[in-house]
Amino acid sequence: KQEVTQIPAALSVPEGENLVLNCSFTDSAIYNLQWFRQDPGKGLTSLLLIQSSQREQTSGRLNASLDKSSGRSTLYIAASQPGDSATYLCAVRGYGQNFVFGPGTRLSVLP
Amino acid sequence: DAGITQSPRYKITETGRQVTLMCHQTWSHSYMFWYRQDLGHGLRLIYYSAAADITDKGEVPDGYVVSRSKTENFPLTLESATRSQTSVYFCASSESYAGGRNEQFFGPGTRLTVL
Repeated sequence: KQEVTQIPAALSVPEGENLVLNCSFTDSAIYNLQWFRQDPGKGLTSLLLIQSSQREQTSGRLNASLDKSSGRSTLYIAASQPGDSATYLCAVRGYGQNFVFGPGTRLSVLP
Repeated sequence: DAGITQSPRYKITETGRQVTLMCHQTWSHSYMFWYRQDLGHGLRLIYYSAAADITDKGEVPDGYVVSRSKTENFPLTLESATRSQTSVYFCASSESYAGGRNEQFFGPGTRLTVL
């Protein structure tokens, strides 16, 4: 059974810092991995999707990498801003399986 | 409007009552999902559907019923609501599993309180 963990559970940084969020999964036979952002009281917004054949994806200040063999993905946020404050979740989809979500990392970017 | 919508956004009901949460998507995505999100448990899959008239249980299906007569709609029914079903419910959709990006998109959620 696929299990997904995220470290750290919470993170507080000053504005302007570059930061890395981590996602680990136990079964490397995945179809894709997706990073989401969730603002308090809101739904999930898709940030980046990495297919199993890809190593990384970029969107603006966000860069996500995938290392299937080690069961890890990282989300890199460059030059963080207070508007980046949210909970970040990763979700993994295996072959013939549904999405499995991590518990999320709660990020606070202080002005 | 294009996208995925849920209704109602907020619902208060009493123990024992039947409640139906609605989900509608305009992308013609094959897959649709219902999740619940609770503090300490994260997102848990209740039911999913691979196509119209095809549904299957997720991790926490007890007490819930789904149907999918049309591709765009995936209602979730609580047959006899219990306090433990107080939660935020999210509907999501994605393309067909075989091929495509399989990116999952979420609705805005329904906050359900069972008194």
